[in-house]
Amino acid sequence: EAGVTQFPSHSVIEKGQTVTLRCDPISGHDNLYWYRRVMGKEIKFLLHFVKESKQDESGMPNNRFLAERTGGTYSTLKVQPAELEDSGVYFCASSQKQGGQETQYFGPGTRLLVL
Amino acid sequence: QKEVEQDPGPLSVPEGAIVSLNCTYSNSAFQYFMWYRQYSRKGPELLMYTYSSGNKEDGRFTAQVDKSSKYISLFIRDSQPSDSATYLCAMKNTGGFKTIFGAGTRLFVKA
Repeated sequence: EAGVTQFPSHSVIEKGQTVTLRCDPISGHDNLYWYRRVMGKEIKFLLHFVKESKQDESGMPNNRFLAERTGGTYSTLKVQPAELEDSGVYFCASSQKQGGQETQYFGPGTRLLVL
Repeated sequence: QKEVEQDPGPLSVPEGAIVSLNCTYSNSAFQYFMWYRQYSRKGPELLMYTYSSGNKEDGRFTAQVDKSSKYISLFIRDSQPSDSATYLCAMKNTGGFKTIFGAGTRLFVKA
């Protein structure tokens, strides 16, 4: 069974440009999460989808970030326009069971560098 | 003050040593406590999952939760070079979806 995949693995863009990150969860997983790790800091929750609905987006930094999950399958996270402080590693995770003792499976992350 | 505090290390030990990794937290509502292992250039991988207080053992790994002290630990017995990784503690509320992570401790096990 394929794990969580993320694309691209790396992205280097200039300040003001737009970048779209993609996450393909494990097939059949209704829950999809986005996290971000800024250098030197802890991994932070961004948002949570259940199927195609946003369950909790309280961690999204500002309105330059837009997440979508088309048809409850893959998800995209768009940053527009990108700022220097958006640099970091963006992780996606998926799970079957919601809340409680759920196992979240993480992708390898997308490393974003904004110059 | 951060909700979860974790010493980033690095922690270097000889092969075969017992490793002790720890986190403290401030939110008494946390009920689910996790330890993740992350290898370089990979995503975190769930190692141990504990609900409320107590101990949980899985092979060479033991997780302990002391809710009265707001303190959790992960012990690794007979450590191996393959255990070299970053270990992240994480926790969340009952019924919550948002996972709060510690900063991670970098562990090196020398052969």
